Amino acid sequence: KAGVTQTPRYLIKTRGQQVTLSCSPISGHRSVSWYQQTPGQGLQFLFEYFSETQRNKGNFPGRFSGRQFSNSRSEMNVSTLELGDSALYLCASSLGEFSPQHFGDGTRLSIL
Amino acid sequence: AQTVTQSQPEMSVQEAETVTLSCTYDTSENNYYLFWYKQPPSRQMILVIRQEAYKQQNATENRFSVNFQKAAKSFSLKISDSQLGDTAMYFCALAYNQGGKLIFGQGTELSVKP
Repeated sequence: KAGVTQTPRYLIKTRGQQVTLSCSPISGHRSVSWYQQTPGQGLQFLFEYFSETQRNKGNFPGRFSGRQFSNSRSEMNVSTLELGDSALYLCASSLGEFSPQHFGDGTRLSIL
Repeated sequence: AQTVTQSQPEMSVQEAETVTLSCTYDTSENNYYLFWYKQPPSRQMILVIRQEAYKQQNATENRFSVNFQKAAKSFSLKISDSQLGDTAMYFCALAYNQGGKLIFGQGTELSVKP
């Protein structure tokens, strides 16, 4: 069974640009969650989608948005990039309802 | 607000020895789960063990076990017979609100020495 797939693995952008990250969950998983990992702030929850609806949301500005498609694949978009957005972005999928989250390898985003 | 605290930034243990990683949490929720995840240098987060808050029995998974003290809001991880492959960053996490949102602690970097 294929794991959670995140693309791309690495991205380099400049301030002011926007970026879209993609996440393909494990087959059959309907919940997809996104996290930002930085050395200073650690792991912070961004949002969760379940059956195409945003079910949980973290404390990030509106520049961070996401969506989920009918096949459960999810995308995360960050607009007007700032230097502080440099981070490892992790996606996790689960069956939902407290079942364990399975993580992808992450996308390393660097802002110049 | 839900919080998770890991007070040990770094720990080391000799191969084949036992080590315990500490975690405390705070939540006003009645329905929640607790997890330990490990993140090796390769960076993929891997589930180690899960504990349902409504279960009194401590979870065990091979060499990994937890000591869940609900009243004290404590959730420690014991690793027995430590192996070199256990070297990783370990995160304690709290899930609530249907489980899609994990609140992570700051992590404990564990080094297993030969």
